[in-house]
Amino acid sequence: DTEVTQTPKHLVMGMTNKKSLKCEQHMGHRAMYWYKQKAKKPPELMFVYSYEKLSINESVPSRFSPECPNSSLLNLHLHALQPEDSALYLCASSPRLGGEPYEQYFGPGTRLTVT
Amino acid sequence: AQSVAQPEDQVNVAEGNPLTVKCTYSVSGNPYLFWYVQYPNRGLQFLLKYITGDNLVKGSYGFEAEFNKSQTSFHLKKPSALVSDSALYFCAVRDINTGGFKTIFGAGTRLFVKA
Repeated sequence: DTEVTQTPKHLVMGMTNKKSLKCEQHMGHRAMYWYKQKAKKPPELMFVYSYEKLSINESVPSRFSPECPNSSLLNLHLHALQPEDSALYLCASSPRLGGEPYEQYFGPGTRLTVT
Repeated sequence: AQSVAQPEDQVNVAEGNPLTVKCTYSVSGNPYLFWYVQYPNRGLQFLLKYITGDNLVKGSYGFEAEFNKSQTSFHLKKPSALVSDSALYFCAVRDINTGGFKTIFGAGTRLFVKA
């Protein structure tokens, strides 16, 4: 199984809502990533987890809260978002961080619209 | 600082013709270079990577890339384009300044293949 799955595919939320994005992989990868992507732009790194511990936080606002409950799951909790947070949110995984330059496996993304 | 540049926002090619999508890099130390493709409303898919060794790297879907150290380039090529190759292509480099934890993406090049 070389697939990264993300749910939901689409999400519309108001600025006062709380919602969560979910990502799952069963490839035994120990590095997982959240990216934000605006239309026709490259992905922007948000968070990196290595062995279920947060390794990188790219100065992301606290209204985004990541969680890695186990080696297969990655969540992104959303609260009090702004309209400019509307974007495609991509999850990715790779075997490990550092060492061998592994490629990343991306999920299909969650299209988020904040109203 | 590590970076990659994709000088063309868009490349147009007729089906059956060869295609080239350009990428140049600026890195300190050994470059670890990647190409990813993104189809509409999808996540990124890994095409190929260069770590060391043969300068011609073969990847998925008939794509290949040529690493040129003197020109600091890593252009993506395909001998005969298909309409289904139309997508957004990203060149990327692993950022060794963060222990390889981060991948730096180019701005992307949109490829249009006309039937």
